[in-house]
Amino acid sequence: EAGVTQFPSHSVIEKGQTVTLRCDPISGHDNLYWYRRVMGKEIKFLLHFVKESKQDESGMPNNRFLAERTGGTYSTLKVQPAELEDSGVYFCASSQVILAGGPLVFGPGTRLTVL
Amino acid sequence: GQQLNQSPQSMFIQEGEDVSMNCTSSSIFNTWLWYKQEPGEGPVLLIALYKAGELTSNGRLTAQFGITRKDSFLNISASIPSDVGIYFCAGQISGGSNYKLTFGKGTLLTVNP
Repeated sequence: EAGVTQFPSHSVIEKGQTVTLRCDPISGHDNLYWYRRVMGKEIKFLLHFVKESKQDESGMPNNRFLAERTGGTYSTLKVQPAELEDSGVYFCASSQVILAGGPLVFGPGTRLTVL
Repeated sequence: GQQLNQSPQSMFIQEGEDVSMNCTSSSIFNTWLWYKQEPGEGPVLLIALYKAGELTSNGRLTAQFGITRKDSFLNISASIPSDVGIYFCAGQISGGSNYKLTFGKGTLLTVNP
């Protein structure tokens, strides 16, 4: 079974540019999450999809961030325009069922550097 | 918002030594989780704890859910070089349909062979 995949693995952009990150969850996983880790800080929740619907987007930093999940399959996270403080590693995770401590599987992350 | 205080921030140990790290919170969590992240990879779940006072082992790893539900520790016995990585604690408040996790800042473990 393929794991959670993310693309690209690295992205270096200049302040003011737009970047789109993609996440492909494990097939059949209805729940998809985006998290972010800024260097030296904790991994922070951004948002949660159940299928194509946004369940919780309370962690989204501001309206420069837009997440979508077309057809309840893959998800994209767009940052427009990017700022220096957006640099960090963006993780996607998916799970099949809602269980406390259930198998939340993380992808390898996309390292975003904004210059 | 909820915060987890994880310590130590980093550890440099010799192969064969035991390791201990912990997390504390001002908030109560219903579930405590410990993850390990290796370079170029995402966090991988090591141990999940569901009940206050629960002590769970996974090979050389042992973790406990504090009885106050505000803390947890992870022990690694007889460390080996492949234990190197960043260890994160995470807490979850169950209920509803959200599985949002609150993470600590991580403990960077280096094992010298």
